[in-house]
Amino acid sequence: QVQLQESGPGLVKPSETLSLTCTVSGGSIRSYYWSWIRQPPGKGLEWIGYIHYSGSTNNNDSLQSRVTMSVDTSMNHFSLKLSSVTAADTAMYYCANSGWYDAFAIWGQGTMVTVSS
Amino acid sequence: EIVLTQSPDFQSVTPKEKVTITCRASQSIGNNLHWYQQKPDQSPKLLIKYASQSFSGVPSRFSGSGSGTDFTLTINSLEPEDAATYYCHQSSSLPYTFGQGTKLEI
Repeated sequence: QVQLQESGPGLVKPSETLSLTCTVSGGSIRSYYWSWIRQPPGKGLEWIGYIHYSGSTNNNDSLQSRVTMSVDTSMNHFSLKLSSVTAADTAMYYCANSGWYDAFAIWGQGTMVTVSS
Repeated sequence: EIVLTQSPDFQSVTPKEKVTITCRASQSIGNNLHWYQQKPDQSPKLLIKYASQSFSGVPSRFSGSGSGTDFTLTINSLEPEDAATYYCHQSSSLPYTFGQGTKLEI
């Protein structure tokens, strides 16, 4: 059974870059599409983007060009970088997997990131 | 971007009651609509995919229906552990979007 685990700093300063990693265990990253989804405190879910093991990506335009995603097949993990963060980027960040235009079947437990000086 | 609107936003219910949550899409999405349950301090869990297909391990009291723009999640004979927020999600077109959520209080 595939399991996902997010990791990264819980506190980021305004204007800096948020960096998170999602480690895939129990299966190969050479399957599925791997997404990042976030949830501000007390609010709903927002899809950030996905990456395929081939390296192809698609991001939500709402985050403009601040998002960079990468994949490391040797380490079986994928990563998210969000630049120029503000308080509005404070959220629980989840990684999840899906097929092509499919449901998010498996989610990580999430990691809380707070943007504050 | 496809907007998903859920109703109601909040519902207070009693055990064994039948609950219906609706999700309306701003344009036709076929059957590319999925439902998730999120309990406090937990990540969302997939309940129903492609409008009506139950995900593995999901209790049979959860069912889904609909196509095009109007979708329904039904919970038959509500259990106390069903207290949660429920979200719909469309995978018809990018960017993927979610409904605003429906909170069930039992």
